[in-house]
Amino acid sequence: EIVLTQSPGTLSLSPGERATLSCRASQSINNSYLAWYQQKPGQAPRLLIYGASSRATGIPDRFSGGGSGTDFTLTISRLEPEDFAVYYCQRYGNSSYTFGQGTKLDIK
Amino acid sequence: EEQLVESGGGLVQPGGSLRLSCAASRFTFSSYAMTWVRQAPGKGLEWVSGISGSGGSTHYADSVKGRFTISRDNSKNTLYLQMNSVRAEDTAVYYCAKRTGFFIAYWGQGTLVTVSS
Repeated sequence: EIVLTQSPGTLSLSPGERATLSCRASQSINNSYLAWYQQKPGQAPRLLIYGASSRATGIPDRFSGGGSGTDFTLTISRLEPEDFAVYYCQRYGNSSYTFGQGTKLDIK
Repeated sequence: EEQLVESGGGLVQPGGSLRLSCAASRFTFSSYAMTWVRQAPGKGLEWVSGISGSGGSTHYADSVKGRFTISRDNSKNTLYLQMNSVRAEDTAVYYCAKRTGFFIAYWGQGTLVTVSS
């Protein structure tokens, strides 16, 4: 079973700063199978990135995804107040989904 | 924009049963695989179950296999999750979600299931 480990657990930054979130897989995975979601308190998750680097419809271009193999990143180039939330990476495989444990991005 | 509305959550005793429903609209429901994902209070996301567009193929997480059953009625644009022999660890918000390719394109707002005596 492939495990996704996200780091850091919490990231404290200020608006306007750059955020880099990491997702590491226990085995190499196909980029097509890697996605990122954003979740705000009391809300459902929202798809941000799919295929490791493709932005979902309506997602601002300050969000970008990258990486390959076992190491993937979500970068937010300039943080806006609405970006402070929890972020999850997700891998599809064997007709099921595995999520990372999440990174909480909070305001410094 | 597509819409997914879950219902059926509530308080259930350990060992009891509950059926969740998810009404879909504004997209061709039968063309999409669907999935249930849950989130225990203050915890992360856990995939529960998935079903193909026709309903002919289903999959379950090991944690619910043999206890939960996913199904769909494409004539009613509705997804279901029958939960039997529930346990305290099944307490969570259950999200109905639309699958597109290898990711989850759209999520409902969720329904809370609380397992407690």
